Amino acid sequence: GQNIDQPTEMTATEGAIVQINCTYQTSGFNGLFWYQQHAGEAPTFLSYNVLDGLEEKGRFSSFLSRSKGYSYLLLKELQMKDSASYLCAVRSTMNNNAGNMLTFGGGTRLMVKP
Amino acid sequence: GAVVSQHPSRVICKSGTSVKIECRSLDFQATTMFWYRQFPKQSLMLMATSNEGSKATYEQGVEKDKFLINHASLTLSTLTVTSAHPEDSSFYICSARGGEETQYFGPGTRLLVL
Repeated sequence: GQNIDQPTEMTATEGAIVQINCTYQTSGFNGLFWYQQHAGEAPTFLSYNVLDGLEEKGRFSSFLSRSKGYSYLLLKELQMKDSASYLCAVRSTMNNNAGNMLTFGGGTRLMVKP
Repeated sequence: GAVVSQHPSRVICKSGTSVKIECRSLDFQATTMFWYRQFPKQSLMLMATSNEGSKATYEQGVEKDKFLINHASLTLSTLTVTSAHPEDSSFYICSARGGEETQYFGPGTRLLVL
């Protein structure tokens, strides 16, 4: 089975930095994704890590440690529009020859305050 | 980037009727499509994995006779909610795997069963 944990809610101030953690336990690990989801909308892709280390993309960075089953999403220079849910998703190889599948964590609802 | 469409975006139906939701990959061929369900303030839950030309693989607890999935071509998968009941009211999202690094999500279909 798979188990993915991330905090339910976080609050941060506009202009600040926030780190959203994700821990996972899975077999057949094949990559970790972060998605942003605004209320009432479908998720949008933010980042992808398959090797250990930090991936930086503008204001967003994502880190992965496969040995620790741990990832974080770092958001810098927070803006009000960053208020959304952030979903950690782990890709694993399926046993039914269908390739890979994503399993989502519960999501972290981030509220950015002025 | 790759585009995935869903139709309809919103549907209201009476209890006992069937509803069909279409998911299309518009500019790439998707050998695998995924169907998710999301209840308010909850994360995405995978319902089934759909492969072109073969039977869908359903997650535990998802009734395959109630949620009929057809993946007739490399660009189209359909989900039919048969004999819908109020508890089936949810946000249904499809995604298509275009490459190894990510899945592309459709905009979602909001179903309300009265």
